Amino acid sequence: SQQGEEDPQALSIQEGENATMNCSYKTSINNLQWYRQNSGRGLVHLILIRSNEREKHSGRLRVTLDTSKKSSSLLITASRAADTASYFCASANFGNEKLTFGTGTRLTIIP
Amino acid sequence: GAVVSQHPSRVICKSGTSVKIECRSLDFQATTMFWYRQFPKKSLMLMATSNEGSKATYEQGVEKDKFLINHASLTLSTLTVTSAHPEDSSFYICSASPSQYEQYFGPGTRLTVT
Repeated sequence: SQQGEEDPQALSIQEGENATMNCSYKTSINNLQWYRQNSGRGLVHLILIRSNEREKHSGRLRVTLDTSKKSSSLLITASRAADTASYFCASANFGNEKLTFGTGTRLTIIP
Repeated sequence: GAVVSQHPSRVICKSGTSVKIECRSLDFQATTMFWYRQFPKKSLMLMATSNEGSKATYEQGVEKDKFLINHASLTLSTLTVTSAHPEDSSFYICSASPSQYEQYFGPGTRLTVT
């Protein structure tokens, strides 16, 4: 499977600032999901946005989806030190149970 | 709900030996399970899709004779790395799917081959 791309690859911001990560994918999707991974740990599911949705919120998270550009963004508002982690998008293609992961963004929140 | 476990969480083995990793869905049945591999500071790469009671489907470039997958029940899939070599050292993550477009991930297994 072809990986999606994320940018930036790494992002360092001050605590309290907002963090934005972008994801691009290659095929038609049923949904797109965002995951967090702390170093050496498993994945934590953050949010799922369906192909017919344009924006979704969950707490301090805001996800947008632009199917015409095959892109999505994850915004974390009012960042905290505990948000330090790697963030991955994963696209679920139509008619296919597989998830295609993006390359990931390593986010560091500076206290 | 929707908890997936993996065992062991860490394993060190000698080159040439085989190691088995278990993936269990604890509170749901999973007709499909997926096995991923993750290198340090890299993303997850799908290795294979495992369906209960049938042969696994491997992604291009993944050696099926080296990475044996068994999905004997609706709650258990195993990945056996045969004749492991240092280049097989990696983080292996499974996921379990109770229905289409749903996947729940295990905590991962760190394999180190010496």
